[in-house]
Amino acid sequence: SQKIEQNSEALNIQEGKTATLTCNYTNYSPAYLQWYRQDPGRGPVFLLLIRENEKEKRKERLKVTFDTTLKQSLFHITASQPADSATYLCALTSGNNRKLIWGLGTSLAVNP
Amino acid sequence: DAGVIQSPRHEVTEMGQEVTLRCKPISGHDYLFWYRQTMMRGLELLIYFNNNVPIDDSGMPEDRFSAKMPNASFSTLKIQPSEPRDSAVYFCASSFMGQGNTEAFFGQGTRLTVV
Repeated sequence: SQKIEQNSEALNIQEGKTATLTCNYTNYSPAYLQWYRQDPGRGPVFLLLIRENEKEKRKERLKVTFDTTLKQSLFHITASQPADSATYLCALTSGNNRKLIWGLGTSLAVNP
Repeated sequence: DAGVIQSPRHEVTEMGQEVTLRCKPISGHDYLFWYRQTMMRGLELLIYFNNNVPIDDSGMPEDRFSAKMPNASFSTLKIQPSEPRDSAVYFCASSFMGQGNTEAFFGQGTRLTVV
């Protein structure tokens, strides 16, 4: 069955360091991969979308890579700040299918 | 635009009662999604609509769940009768897909507790 795995353990890093979150998938050939941020008591908020033919996408301090051979996406936050503390979710969809398949998310804590 | 608006924010009901969750998508968006989120299972897609028409309801857990979208600006998710295992946060999201996949905009969610 299709499966998406994200770091199950919370990630704690020091302010100013780079946070790297992982999203691995199996039995799936996604055309698009998206990353969202979710704060407690709120809905997910879109951050970045990367297509299967793109290797890397950047937006300000955020960078996403997409390796369809390894079936993995890495999400990087450079110069991290305490305000970056949240749960980060990856989601996949294929072709014309509008359904997003979601990971369980990774909790990130950036310590001042 | 105020974003996706869901109501109520919190709902506590007794087992066996009918529950109706409401959603107003972003104006101009052509897709609407209903999700359920729990700690154990994460975000699960229940059903989605395209231009008010249900496209895929394979995620609806049982016949107790039903969803409607009578017009482009309103959708409901109904659970009848409700059970304690339905307790979760229910999210509505909308998108403008156009020619390809794009981001989903989520509402604040409805936290449902069935006792």
